[in-house]
Amino acid sequence: GQNIDQPTEMTATEGAIVQINCTYQTSGFNGLFWYQQHAGEAPTFLSYNVLDGLEEKGRFSSFLSRSKGYSYLLLKELQMKDSASYLCAPKVAGSYQLTFGKGTKLSVIP
Amino acid sequence: DTAVSQTPKYLVTQMGNDKSIKCEQNLGHDTMYWYKQDSKKFLKIMFSYNNKELIINETVPNRFSPKSPDKAHLNLHINSLELGDSAVYFCASSQGPSYEQYFGPGTRLTVT
Repeated sequence: GQNIDQPTEMTATEGAIVQINCTYQTSGFNGLFWYQQHAGEAPTFLSYNVLDGLEEKGRFSSFLSRSKGYSYLLLKELQMKDSASYLCAPKVAGSYQLTFGKGTKLSVIP
Repeated sequence: DTAVSQTPKYLVTQMGNDKSIKCEQNLGHDTMYWYKQDSKKFLKIMFSYNNKELIINETVPNRFSPKSPDKAHLNLHINSLELGDSAVYFCASSQGPSYEQYFGPGTRLTVT
């Protein structure tokens, strides 16, 4: 089974940096996905971390600590268009199915 | 060119009816999925289908059945619709379990 925890909502100011945390308890853990979902739209892939450490991709970075069951998504130079829900999804080795967290709704304000 | 497409985009129907949602992917992926996103925006896996192997989430009622005529299509058939089935249903596909999933635009099902 899995237990995934993310903050429900966050608010940040345009131009600022925000960190969205995700903690998980996943048997057979084998990596963690982050997806972005704008209101009324489909989720889109942001990152996939397998090894410990920080992976940077433009304004977005994702961090993983396997020993702590912890990941975060770091968004820099926030833009209004970053207002969306951010979903973390730990992956189980050998499984095709992803279990998503309940998502963090980020609101970026001027 | 749409990678993962779903039809219809909106579906309004009455309780007790049977309906189908179609999904097609043109990415050449081997694995397809169906998700349900309820009013609280919780995205839950329903099925995954890989090379004719169907994996069903045990919480899905047997009124729901996926049907795959070929590798590029995974349709969702729902029998005896109930009010609680109202949700947005997303189809997705991926190259494999450790690859990103590409989602369709979703089908908003409303059962009255």
